[in-house]
Amino acid sequence: DGGITQSPKYLFRKEGQNVTLSCEQNLNHDAMYWYRQDPGQGLRLIYYSQIVNDFQKGDIAEGYSVSREKKESFPLTVTSAQKNPTAFYLCASKLPGLAGHNEQFFGPGTRLTVL
Amino acid sequence: QKEVEQDPGPLSVPEGAIVSLNCTYSNSAFQYFMWYRQYSRKGPELLMYTYSSGNKEDGRFTAQVDKSSKYISLFIRDSQPSDSATYLCAGRGTGGGNKLTFGTGTQLKVEL
Repeated sequence: DGGITQSPKYLFRKEGQNVTLSCEQNLNHDAMYWYRQDPGQGLRLIYYSQIVNDFQKGDIAEGYSVSREKKESFPLTVTSAQKNPTAFYLCASKLPGLAGHNEQFFGPGTRLTVL
Repeated sequence: QKEVEQDPGPLSVPEGAIVSLNCTYSNSAFQYFMWYRQYSRKGPELLMYTYSSGNKEDGRFTAQVDKSSKYISLFIRDSQPSDSATYLCAGRGTGGGNKLTFGTGTQLKVEL
């Protein structure tokens, strides 16, 4: 079955630690995205990548880093510089093109809690 | 002011009711408009999309966009308890990585 896998489902981190969230897709999508979701704030874009070895900052990139070494993988690192990392993190991917039916397809999410 | 405004609810309706969910947006560059449905602790799933102004129907769901007033609506007919979820509206333009701008989501509960 084609889809997006995010792991782990739940993640706990101590303050001052870096942590990496995994996102893998077997949909052969070129573009991939990372969002965080907080209560009452909807989804906010952290980073996105349209092709391998290239990525751009979204609206709230500070304290996060990404890499895109393979088409199917787009890991997100939450660094100790992120002041309020506790949130629900969502990864999405998309085929190229403008047509609406090629909209972003989301993974199941990772809930990160800082202890 | 947020680019996409959405009443967070919660909205509670009886089973079988017609539900109207609404958003307003401010970015004139938006051409595509989406509705995602998100069940608790799950990732959002694409429910409907619309290009520019107009209506689109899919089963019990109708999406409506009025670009002149920058207003987006989703209507659910014959609502079911399984429709209980958070509904997110989103818009995007035609460039810049096809980035979506989301509303905060409206929490809907359909009661028996």
